Amino acid sequence: EPEVTQTPSHQVTQMGQEVILRCVPISNHLYFYWYRQILGQKVEFLVSFYNNEISEKSEIFDDQFSVERPDGSNFTLKIRSTKLEDSAMYFCASSDIPLNTEAFFGQGTRLTVV
Amino acid sequence: LAKTTQPISMDSYEGQEVNITCSHNNIATNDYITWYQQFPSQGPRFIIQGYKTKVTNEVASLFIPADRKSSTLSLPRVSLSDTAVYYCLVALNNAGNMLTFGGGTRLMVKP
Repeated sequence: EPEVTQTPSHQVTQMGQEVILRCVPISNHLYFYWYRQILGQKVEFLVSFYNNEISEKSEIFDDQFSVERPDGSNFTLKIRSTKLEDSAMYFCASSDIPLNTEAFFGQGTRLTVV
Repeated sequence: LAKTTQPISMDSYEGQEVNITCSHNNIATNDYITWYQQFPSQGPRFIIQGYKTKVTNEVASLFIPADRKSSTLSLPRVSLSDTAVYYCLVALNNAGNMLTFGGGTRLMVKP
């Protein structure tokens, strides 16, 4: 079964540092998403990406965040200057068509900011 | 955006059928109803999706009444491994590309 893969599985970084979270979506999918989940809280939408541009973003996705699809397979989330409150699980997801459809989620990257 | 309401938690025993109901009173005409499952420290996993009446797959059934203001996820004969959080989602009815997760229902299956 095809799957979304994320690396690293766990990242520890110091406050103020930049981090890049990597995702390899399912190969024939065209729509990509980042979500985060703070421990014990609900899954929160960050951003969706299609055709090499952001199609939706939430209030959480401020100027500290950026996404990129640097090549045909990777989809990355960059946090420029991490804050303690950025500590969370970050999930990448992809789907072959948007809206009202099945999205496949990766196993997540646990980001710990110290 | 259609808001969803579902119970915070439910308990069940192995072998029982579990029904989780979600209300979505302001669902729009073009919205679909989708359910996801999430195990601890894992990403959500799609279970089932429907628009109206009943949908069944190898994992669950989804019952949607004619007014579509609620839906019920039915898990037949649950096992311990079905212990998870179950989310009811109603997608946006415009061209937006996002799924909005609510608090979900934490299902605990006991032996």
